[in-house]
Amino acid sequence: GENVEQHPSTLSVQEGDSAVIKCTYSDSASNYFPWYKQELGKGPQLIIDIRSNVGEKKDQRIAVTLNKTAKHFSLHITETQPEDSAVYFCAPKGYNFNKFYFGSGTKLNVKP
Amino acid sequence: NAGVTQTPKFRVLKTGQSMTLLCAQDMNHEYMYWYRQDPGMGLRLIHYSVGEGTTAKGEVPDGYNVSRLKKQNFLLGLESAAPSQTSVYFCASSYKLAGGSQETQYFGPGTRLLVL
Repeated sequence: GENVEQHPSTLSVQEGDSAVIKCTYSDSASNYFPWYKQELGKGPQLIIDIRSNVGEKKDQRIAVTLNKTAKHFSLHITETQPEDSAVYFCAPKGYNFNKFYFGSGTKLNVKP
Repeated sequence: NAGVTQTPKFRVLKTGQSMTLLCAQDMNHEYMYWYRQDPGMGLRLIHYSVGEGTTAKGEVPDGYNVSRLKKQNFLLGLESAAPSQTSVYFCASSYKLAGGSQETQYFGPGTRLLVL
């Protein structure tokens, strides 16, 4: 199965700063790269994803970048706000694979 | 649409007791999943289903059974609960893309299970 590592495990930033979370994976056949946000007491929710034929994707304050050669992709959050405080998970997957392998999560704390 | 719902929200069991967790989705999704979430370990796949009447094992299937008799429901059973099964359980579903794969997973709110 896929070996997924996420770094850092915790991240504390001041409101307005940027945050970057990195996800490395082992399976070179992976071609779908999502990021999920989990707020306290809730289930994870997809916030952004990217496919292997694209290097970067932006959606307002969040972006995902992909380096397929190095087998890692990153979540970038700019102008962080207190409501960005949550746990973030990556879950890379191959196109024809039915299983998702989640990283161990990054707890982001945005201090007002 | 209610999306993905899970029943119950919280349950306390004694070692050796059995129970069934119910997951329901109203999005007509083909794929359904059961995960468990333990502190510092992310989400681990227990069992999944690629369609009505089919199930398959995930990473950590031991001690659990599943059934998908109806497309909208996915049941997770614990035949003889053990303290190691204390966890938060999440159900998820996803739709089938043209070509047979799937991407976005939609998660339920979770079931918190405590086994004493």
